[in-house]
Amino acid sequence: AQSVTQLDSQVPVFEEAPVELRCNYSSSVSVYLFWYVQYPNQGLQLLLKYLSGSTLVKGINGFEAEFNKSQTSFHLRKPSVHISDTAEYFCAVSGWNTDKLIFGTGTRLQVFP
Amino acid sequence: EPEVTQTPSHQVTQMGQEVILRCVPISNHLYFYWYRQILGQKVEFLVSFYNNEISEKSEIFDDQFSVERPDGSNFTLKIRSTKLEDSAMYFCASRARQGSNQPQHFGDGTRLSIL
Repeated sequence: AQSVTQLDSQVPVFEEAPVELRCNYSSSVSVYLFWYVQYPNQGLQLLLKYLSGSTLVKGINGFEAEFNKSQTSFHLRKPSVHISDTAEYFCAVSGWNTDKLIFGTGTRLQVFP
Repeated sequence: EPEVTQTPSHQVTQMGQEVILRCVPISNHLYFYWYRQILGQKVEFLVSFYNNEISEKSEIFDDQFSVERPDGSNFTLKIRSTKLEDSAMYFCASRARQGSNQPQHFGDGTRLSIL
């Protein structure tokens, strides 16, 4: 079975500062990793995904994430955030043997001017 | 860009009543899902559906729940006799191709409030 841990429930940051949202996973099988963003009153939008190959993946809106197998992590980063990045960010995992996504508890990114 | 659409956006129902949540997946998608998010908690998988049958379901998805694809476009979640603890945001998702490495596309959700 897979599980996901997002240690930070809230991350406050000033505009144009860099940010890292942490995600750790556990799994007994090979995993696929995803980051989704949820803006207020909206659904979940895919930011980026790691399936295989290069451990650094780039997504939409300037976000990127790095898969680290030894540390079982998939942290999300952005070098310079905007006010519009204020949202809830969810890390999710699926495995080759299951069709479902397992989500973390989410991290609320609050960007201040 | 094609979207998953869900109706209604907010549903208020008396406890014990039946409720049907509706979803229109992206048109060429073949795999369909329901998730829920209780306020302040994580998004939880409920059920996956392919080729007109359930392919996987969670412990949450008990006999009170059912899913159906009544025509070529809609995908519904029915809760037979709602309980207070069914209050949550329900998300529908769809996926184009086989393989758990393919991304799921989510709708904006239906907020279900049980009184």
